[in-house]
Amino acid sequence: EAGVTQSPTHLIKTRGQQATLRCSPISGHTSVYWYQQALGLGLQFLLWYDEGEERNRGNFPPRFSGRQFPNYSSELNVNALELEDSALYLCASSPRAGYGETQYFGPGTRLLVL
Amino acid sequence: DAKTTQPNSMESNEEEPVHLPCNHSTISGTDYIHWYRQLPSQGPEYVIHGLTSNVNNRMASLAIAEDRKSSTLILHRATLRDAAVYYCILRKPNYQLIWGAGTKLIIKP
Repeated sequence: EAGVTQSPTHLIKTRGQQATLRCSPISGHTSVYWYQQALGLGLQFLLWYDEGEERNRGNFPPRFSGRQFPNYSSELNVNALELEDSALYLCASSPRAGYGETQYFGPGTRLLVL
Repeated sequence: DAKTTQPNSMESNEEEPVHLPCNHSTISGTDYIHWYRQLPSQGPEYVIHGLTSNVNNRMASLAIAEDRKSSTLILHRATLRDAAVYYCILRKPNYQLIWGAGTKLIIKP
């Protein structure tokens, strides 16, 4: 069974540009979560989607947004990029929207903003 | 605010048990305790989770204190492949995960 996949693996942008990151959950999983991991730090919760709707978001500005498609894949968009947005962005999925559910992580997209 | 506290690093010998502690004194009654580990340049990997009772799976055991203010991840026979950063996490009912800074586990051959 294929795991969570993310693309691209690496992304280089300049300040002010927009970045689009993509995530495909494990087949049959309906919930997708996005996290930001800055270098040397723990994961910060960004967004949670389930059944196509945004269910919760962390303490990030509105320029971080996303969506979930009917096939449950998801996109994270970061507008007006700033240098401090450079980080590893991780996507995770879970089979259901229960908060005790295990989350399965993808390998991440490393975003570098110059 | 809820948070978890873990030692920065721990060392253990190969094929010996490892006990990784975590303090979460501000845990709420509805918070799940999750453990993940992360190898360099990889996404986090689920290890185990629990609410109140001790839990066992093929990877590890989770011992939860009676007052739930601390927990211990137990690797019964550490191998070199278990070297990673281990994160103790609280999962809130609103689905947010409160991540600690993690413990870097070093396994000596």
